[in-house]
Amino acid sequence: GAGVSQSPSNKVTEKGKDVELRCDPISGHTALYWYRQSLGQGLEFLIYFQGNSAPDKSGLPSDRFSAERTGGSVSTLTIQRTQQEDSAVYLCASSLQGVRPFNGYTFGSGTRLTVV
Amino acid sequence: AQSVTQPDIHITVSEGASLELRCNYSYGATPYLFWYVQSPGQGLQLLLKYFSGDTLVQGIKGFEAEFKRSQSSFNLRKPSVHWSDAAEYFCALIGGSGTYKYIFGTGTRLKVLA
Repeated sequence: GAGVSQSPSNKVTEKGKDVELRCDPISGHTALYWYRQSLGQGLEFLIYFQGNSAPDKSGLPSDRFSAERTGGSVSTLTIQRTQQEDSAVYLCASSLQGVRPFNGYTFGSGTRLTVV
Repeated sequence: AQSVTQPDIHITVSEGASLELRCNYSYGATPYLFWYVQSPGQGLQLLLKYFSGDTLVQGIKGFEAEFKRSQSSFNLRKPSVHWSDAAEYFCALIGGSGTYKYIFGTGTRLKVLA
């Protein structure tokens, strides 16, 4: 598509439930990234995909977080047994190239997750 | 360690006034530097970037930024602010060969008074 699409835009879930966040990157972008933006915080790196592989998962906060990417396109970020501290905006971005993306990332509008 | 500091959490300016948002970085060499803007409910949009060469770079929406190696700074400026510029602004760097991960500052929220 023309931009990076994320769904849902908003998600309210009960503590302990699992959630799935979806990202549809720009067609042809091989690199895909997930960031988390918490209230009052900057943007926190979660994971980087190059194609379907994730060479860097170092930002995932705990083993409750996982992500996959299929067909070099759509990515899903899954949070199991959600906790209140997981409440944040989850941003997905993509770029043509992973290493030193000279043109910057293209970000989606994010999914605002609220755990109650 | 690599880091980006945006000293001002909030800035308020009047419409038509000039604007300068500060950004300082810590990195052993010259990083790739970026400014992004985030409007409410939106993702981040790239305003401008610096890699090398001319230290004054022009971006979209009338913004410019100046890289100053001696001060490790990359401040964002606009001569005359419009009400639509109200948003949050993020400075970011990428450094090192084989690097893909942005280091973001914590952002500066700009409020524009009519």
